[in-house]
Amino acid sequence: DIQLTQSPAFLSASVGDRVTITCRASQGINNYLAWYQQKPGKAPKLLIHTASTLQSGVPSRFSGRGSGTEFTLTITSLQPEDFATYYCQQLNSSPLTFGGGTKVEIE
Amino acid sequence: EVQLVESGGGLVQPGGSLRLSCAASGLNVSTSWMHWVRQAPGKGLVWVSRIRSDGRTVYADSVKGRFTISRDNAKNTLFLQMDSLRDEDTAVYYCARDGSWRLDHWGQGTLVTVSS
Repeated sequence: DIQLTQSPAFLSASVGDRVTITCRASQGINNYLAWYQQKPGKAPKLLIHTASTLQSGVPSRFSGRGSGTEFTLTITSLQPEDFATYYCQQLNSSPLTFGGGTKVEIE
Repeated sequence: EVQLVESGGGLVQPGGSLRLSCAASGLNVSTSWMHWVRQAPGKGLVWVSRIRSDGRTVYADSVKGRFTISRDNAKNTLFLQMDSLRDEDTAVYYCARDGSWRLDHWGQGTLVTVSS
């Protein structure tokens, strides 16, 4: 099974900050990596797919990069509505797996 | 507009069974790849199962042999039959559509509580 290690697990930041979350895969996943945002009591929302493609309707302050086994999600100029938990997911092979999540909190 | 609405969650005793439903509108479950994902209280997301458009299914090891994913094309509905339930199956269960290498539409989730 492919393991995804997300870091950091928690991140304190202020409105306007630039934040970067890392997701490392235990083996190559052909860039079949997605990023989701989840707010308390809500379903996850797709932000980025195939490592770097912004999902329709998602603000351009969100971006994804990476290849092979290391991937990043960057939020430039953090907005109040961006405080949430973020997950990466690999869709390269079954069982599909998620990272452990990164909670972005207000500093 | 795509909508996925889960139902069927509730309280069940260990060893019991439950069937979850995911009613779809705005998409055709028979031609889509569909997934179930769960989230235990206060924990992260865990993938559970997938059914492809050709009907092939795959499961997480933790539920293999106990859970069955299926669909009713006429009702445009996805199901998850859960048998031999354990305490650790307690979670919110989400259905999601696979829009080609991403889960682009999610339901609101249904809570399953396994407890005596």
